[in-house]
Amino acid sequence: DTAVSQTPKYLVTQMGNDKSIKCEQNLGHDTMYWYKQDSKKFLKIMFSYNNKELIINETVPNRFSPKSPDKAHLNLHINSLELGDSAVYFCASSQAGVGIEAFFGQGTRLTVV
Amino acid sequence: KQEVTQIPAALSVPEGENLVLNCSFTDSAIYNLQWFRQDPGKGLTSLLLIQSSQREQTSGRLNASLDKSSGRSTLYIAASQPGDSATYLCAVYRDDKIIFGKGTRLHILP
Repeated sequence: DTAVSQTPKYLVTQMGNDKSIKCEQNLGHDTMYWYKQDSKKFLKIMFSYNNKELIINETVPNRFSPKSPDKAHLNLHINSLELGDSAVYFCASSQAGVGIEAFFGQGTRLTVV
Repeated sequence: KQEVTQIPAALSVPEGENLVLNCSFTDSAIYNLQWFRQDPGKGLTSLLLIQSSQREQTSGRLNASLDKSSGRSTLYIAASQPGDSATYLCAVYRDDKIIFGKGTRLHILP
């Protein structure tokens, strides 16, 4: 069983469209994250949710809206897509505490044309 | 603000050599430190997780050390192989964040 799964794996869309990326974890973790990996391969946190509550929003544009229907899911909805949104988006989950490992999904490669 | 730096940004070594990748972080109040590898176009593969109270972890040819007081971690790879070629990422856990360095691109020359 995949611990953290993201769909879709690839997404190609036109500027101005609205799209969603889904993430699910079956580890029972309380915390989920979205990361963006830019063209220079730098992984930067976007959002952190703990038990469905937003904990961290790292100055991400309002066009990005995470939604957590339950603690096993954290979906990312993006409105009015721009060329600069092209990147790989990684979902992750973890449990607070020393020694608890975070698990990452395989990533969603978003290309805006 | 926690910052994570990895040096060097890129490294090429002949096959069979031992090598060390470096990671430094500015705030020593971390829970864990984790090393990942990422192959081109692929996701993250966890290599080693070191708890804040530990000084090192070993897995096969990999050994990761942690010195919280100096804000440093190293990843030692013994007897490097071409299959070790990848980007290696260091990440520190603090509060509700996992903060990544920019990675070291490793190329093992056959």
